[in-house]
Amino acid sequence: QKEVEQDPGPLSVPEGAIVSLNCTYSNSAFQYFMWYRQYSRKGPELLMYTYSSGNKEDGRFTAQVDKSSKYISLFIRDSQPSDSATYLCAMSGGSGYSTLTFGKGTMLLVSP
Amino acid sequence: EAEVAQSPRYKITEKSQAVAFWCDPISGHATLYWYRQILGQGPELLVQFQDESVVDDSQLPKDRFSAERLKGVDSTLKIQPAELGDSAMYLCASSRLNTEAFFGQGTRLTVV
Repeated sequence: QKEVEQDPGPLSVPEGAIVSLNCTYSNSAFQYFMWYRQYSRKGPELLMYTYSSGNKEDGRFTAQVDKSSKYISLFIRDSQPSDSATYLCAMSGGSGYSTLTFGKGTMLLVSP
Repeated sequence: EAEVAQSPRYKITEKSQAVAFWCDPISGHATLYWYRQILGQGPELLVQFQDESVVDDSQLPKDRFSAERLKGVDSTLKIQPAELGDSAMYLCASSRLNTEAFFGQGTRLTVV
């Protein structure tokens, strides 16, 4: 079992839909949680960064962390065709020189 | 806006040749990561530096890969000799200690 599991999709939705993207993890030491957006042939772009459990909102994006369930989510409201990309979750521990561990990424397709 | 700079963007090399990638992190970021991303997969860590020291190179194929960050600023990743299976995107990222990581645009390597 990999440390971080993420459904690769693709996930296809119509424009305006609410999108839910999720990751599960097995390492209880993870404390920092990130979501990246990656367009084809580009580097990952940081979308959201959260520490420990709770919610964080930024515009149309909301990140949720449930450490008790080892489950994180990214919600996208009013999805747009420009949101079509691969979304990567990433996480790291809190002490020392902790490595950033990624999921495989979920491909999202938003149709006009 | 500060960015992680990588060069070259694209590289085609023949099998058994040597190839090198360069990364200049965001100023003030002591942590530097090199990741490899195969198409359809999440990034996988090759090596992590804290200043000029390697803190994790457990997944670096040391018989052919080497990495250095001599003055604790920019970094070079080298492959010698290149193999067909090395074709991938090579990503550099930087961060302050245990905070969010920012990625460059990557170097897409094709070995023929």
